Amino acid sequence: DVKVTQSSRYLVKRTGEKVFLECVQDMDHENMFWYRQDPGLGLRLIYFSYDVKMKEKGDIPEGYSVSREKKERFSLILESASTNQTSMYLCASSISSGLGETQYFGPGTRLLVL
Amino acid sequence: AQSVSQHNHHVILSEAASLELGCNYSYGGTVNLFWYVQYPGQHLQLLLKYFSGDPLVKGIKGFEAEFIKSKFSFNLRKPSVQWSDTAEYFCAVNSLGLDTGRRALTFGSGTRLQVQP
Repeated sequence: DVKVTQSSRYLVKRTGEKVFLECVQDMDHENMFWYRQDPGLGLRLIYFSYDVKMKEKGDIPEGYSVSREKKERFSLILESASTNQTSMYLCASSISSGLGETQYFGPGTRLLVL
Repeated sequence: AQSVSQHNHHVILSEAASLELGCNYSYGGTVNLFWYVQYPGQHLQLLLKYFSGDPLVKGIKGFEAEFIKSKFSFNLRKPSVQWSDTAEYFCAVNSLGLDTGRRALTFGSGTRLQVQP
């Protein structure tokens, strides 16, 4: 089974702090994604990566950056956390087949910014 | 840009009732379509998907969905729901060719299903 793990289930940070969310997948998938999930808004794509050191902006990249130094690991960085970044963050991965690949999701990190 | 609409935000049903959740998308080209489910406290997981071929797709736990290209729809159905189907359901679309190289999904806002025993 594909396993996507996220470093923390819950995080509490203060406004202005730099926050790192880590995601690791164990299936050698090329593609990795970061979404945020908010009630009534569904999942919105922040960033994705289709190869090591490659990244592309999603629909809501402002206030975030990402890093992919190794194939299995994709980090989301909040450079200076703000209260409007309080959310559930979901990481996903998929294999690259060009046919609309199934994405496999991690358990999520619930971030509260005070 | 692609958009996905789920018009039912919260649905309450009794056990054994039939279920249909609506999903409409905006892109008229080639699409791949997905339904994901999130049970309380659990990961988001795939329920079913459509890539090509038979527009009636069967998934896990007795769910099915029908792709109707002319209506830009991919509605989810189940003839008889169970209490264990209580969850949030998300429709998602991958629009091939719309954004070159983009392999991410566009999700709807979700439908919260509550099944009463």
